[in-house]
Amino acid sequence: QVQLQQSGPGLVEPSQTLSLTCAISGDSVSSNSAAWNWIRQSPSRGLEWLGWTYYRSTWYNDYAQSVRSRITITPDTAKNQVSLQLESVTPEDTAVYFCARDWGDWGYFDYWGPGNPVTVS
Amino acid sequence: DIQMTQFPSSLSASVGDRVTITCRTSQSVSRNLNWYQQKPGKAPNLLIYAASMLQTGVPSRFSGSGSGTDFTLTINSLQPEDSGTYYCQQSFGAPRTFGQGTKVDI
Repeated sequence: QVQLQQSGPGLVEPSQTLSLTCAISGDSVSSNSAAWNWIRQSPSRGLEWLGWTYYRSTWYNDYAQSVRSRITITPDTAKNQVSLQLESVTPEDTAVYFCARDWGDWGYFDYWGPGNPVTVS
Repeated sequence: DIQMTQFPSSLSASVGDRVTITCRTSQSVSRNLNWYQQKPGKAPNLLIYAASMLQTGVPSRFSGSGSGTDFTLTINSLQPEDSGTYYCQQSFGAPRTFGQGTKVDI
């Protein structure tokens, strides 16, 4: 059974960096069948995919255009976790942030973390 | 980016009713279309993947159909626990995109 445990602050000041971590159990961050995603949800933007990291003999990343200049998603193989850093945050970045596993060729999100509510203020 | 249009945005139905939610994509996603249910304060929960495949543990009253750009989620014999918001999501490519959601009230 895969479990994703999220951690990080619930309050970030404007212009600072939002940092969240997603600890993975029951699977490996280096899995050749999974991609590890960050997704956020707010009333104004709905569910918004932010980006992913995955391993296919080498590491790949891709990010949403809306945050591409500010975001970094990093795998940590030693701790089996994935982290999110979002720089220069504004109140528009206030949202619930989820990590999720994107699985296999069909690419559905089958496991999600519980969510981290983050307020930028 | 692939745009998702989901409708209706909300509906109210009674226990035992059949409910249909529609999702349309701005370009063909083949059968790379997934459906989720979300309860307040919780993460979305996968119901259907690959347009019509029932995720393990999901009741058989949920079904999905469609391919290309037009998809439907059907709930047969609606139950009280089916209240929540339902989202479609395409996994044809990146960026992954979601519909705006359909809130179902019982």
